[in-house]
Amino acid sequence: IVLTQSPATLSLSPGEKATLSCRASQTVTSYLAWYQQKPGQSPRLLIYEAFYRATGVPARFRGSGSGTNFTLTISSLEPEDSAVYYCQQRSIWLTFGGGTKVEIK
Amino acid sequence: QVQLQESGPGLVKPSGTLSVSCAVSGDSISNNNWWAWVRQPPGKGLEWIGEIFQTGNTNYNPSLKGRVTMSLDTSKNHFSLELTSVTAADTAIYFCAQLVRFYDAFDVWGPGTLVTVSS
Repeated sequence: IVLTQSPATLSLSPGEKATLSCRASQTVTSYLAWYQQKPGQSPRLLIYEAFYRATGVPARFRGSGSGTNFTLTISSLEPEDSAVYYCQQRSIWLTFGGGTKVEIK
Repeated sequence: QVQLQESGPGLVKPSGTLSVSCAVSGDSISNNNWWAWVRQPPGKGLEWIGEIFQTGNTNYNPSLKGRVTMSLDTSKNHFSLELTSVTAADTAIYFCAQLVRFYDAFDVWGPGTLVTVSS
């Protein structure tokens, strides 16, 4: 399953809402996860099973969607949310999306 | 809390074999989760390499065309990756990670080790 993330880059101001899309080439029959990766760091799990927040993840991060369309919403951007965000699924083989870079103006 | 630490050679010659290992601490490697390798070429995205379970069962990325072998050592609480016939395209940061079986997501990652393929 190919995961396509859009947009490639999102440039927003603090306090604005970010909407990140992850589209699958086929129905995701297992679970979908979202990760945040900052420069020089390992990825960090944000969301699993499409909408459950991982331990310690702020409530401004929300996952939604099913089937082939998934969304990560950051309700009110903070400066520390500047990062690349990846989606991931494991229906047949495990795949990652290409990532969305979120820049804070 | 599980912690992971990769170790690797840093530099591998083209056509050689890349070998990296991951030490697991804070829990047993036999904790019913999968143990995986993910790599990231400099400036690029994440690529799943494969995963191994405590029983020795493995799943590998088909795109790596039989070049991958993963193993684990329960007595030493670590697991390893071998990638043969490497080229410059295999230059990447190699991460080990715990893949939680119940929700198919990586909840713990190592810091990563950069492996460069060059003569």
